[in-house]
Amino acid sequence: EVQLVESGGGLVQPGGSLRLSCAASGFIFNNYWMHWVRQAPGKGLVWVSRIGSDDYSTTYADSVKGRFTISRDNAKNTLYLQMNSLRDEDTAVYYCARHSEVAGLSPLGSWGQGALVTVSS
Amino acid sequence: EIVLTQSPGTLSLSPGDRATLSCRASQTVTSNYLGWYQQKPGQAPRLLIYGASSRATGIPDRFSGSGSGTDFTLTISRLEPEDFAVYYCQQYSSLPNTFGQGTKLEIK
Repeated sequence: EVQLVESGGGLVQPGGSLRLSCAASGFIFNNYWMHWVRQAPGKGLVWVSRIGSDDYSTTYADSVKGRFTISRDNAKNTLYLQMNSLRDEDTAVYYCARHSEVAGLSPLGSWGQGALVTVSS
Repeated sequence: EIVLTQSPGTLSLSPGDRATLSCRASQTVTSNYLGWYQQKPGQAPRLLIYGASSRATGIPDRFSGSGSGTDFTLTISRLEPEDFAVYYCQQYSSLPNTFGQGTKLEIK
């Protein structure tokens, strides 16, 4: 069974930093592209970032470019999101998600339960 | 960036009714790389439809997707009580992989 478990969320002051982790199990982690998607309280889903399976290519939404860094440790089956220079508008539940297929473009077939990040003074 | 616009924002129907949800893209979604997700309160989204019209594993056949190019539709043929939720479309043909703003399906 595919499992994605996020951790590392919490309360942080504006301008601060936080690192989210997503522990993966039940599948061959280094075969899949991985994503982060966020959802502000009461709002819709917003794609944040993705990372390739083995070439580590990364892409970001404009709203987080230069502040957030996605990375992965295939030996530990873990995905990360380093978030710096946090702003009030970064407050959201952050989900890690996995492509549904190994190769090519595919939707997000598996999701974690989410980690809440609150940016507030 | 491809902007996805979903309509209506809220749909009020009764169990047993047919639901039709729309997703319109600002540019052509290449190869119909369009997915639909269901999200219930306090839960993560769940993939329902991929490739505009293919059901994901374990999804009941009352859910169907159609459309191509810039206009896509999710249809729920006979609403069950557990289908009342928020539905999102997402294109994964180009970066950023954008989502629509969602359609809330509520009990009338």
